[in-house]
Amino acid sequence: NAGVTQTPKFQVLKTGQSMTLQCAQDMNHNSMYWYRQDPGMGLRLIYYSASEGTTDKGEVPNGYNVSRLNKREFSLRLESAAPSQTSVYFCASCEIRDRKAFFGQGTRLTVV
Amino acid sequence: GENVEQHPSTLSVQEGDSAVIKCTYSDSASNYFPWYKQELGKGPQLIIDIRSNVGEKKDQRIAVTLNKTAKHFSLHITETQPEDSAVYFCAATFGRAGSYQLTFGKGTKLSVIP
Repeated sequence: NAGVTQTPKFQVLKTGQSMTLQCAQDMNHNSMYWYRQDPGMGLRLIYYSASEGTTDKGEVPNGYNVSRLNKREFSLRLESAAPSQTSVYFCASCEIRDRKAFFGQGTRLTVV
Repeated sequence: GENVEQHPSTLSVQEGDSAVIKCTYSDSASNYFPWYKQELGKGPQLIIDIRSNVGEKKDQRIAVTLNKTAKHFSLHITETQPEDSAVYFCAATFGRAGSYQLTFGKGTKLSVIP
């Protein structure tokens, strides 16, 4: 099993460009999450999807949108990238019953 | 929402010594507390977790303790090895059933000196 797969692994954007980060899990989990990781800040929740068809804001949602395409896939979109969105982005999934979350390998995004 | 404080931010120990990382949380309704290990360039990996109905849990050289009254929990690593060097994150889960959020501490960089 691949677990949680994120694409791309690296990306450089110019200010104002848009892009979508893709995430897919093959563990049949109901809940999926997007986090960003910045030095000294830990992991901060951007958006989450408790189940297929639902999405909710986390701690730092401004400048992002999400789509829960189906049970497997949860995408994160930056409509107009800003340098403050330079970060490492992690997708995670978990089963509601035991709440053990599994993370992808991350997407390192640089906005210049 | 939940707030998780983690200490220390950096920790250096000699190989074979023990390491302890401590976390406190603010929401008394939180009831699930996982610990993650993150190696350079990789995603966080779950290493141990504890639920609020348990005071201690062990898995080989790793143990976690929970004090619900004081709202703090700790990670204990015994007989540390160089491969234990990594960043460790504690987390707490809060939210209504079926819609949980994980809030993380800011991390502890553990260095094990051979």
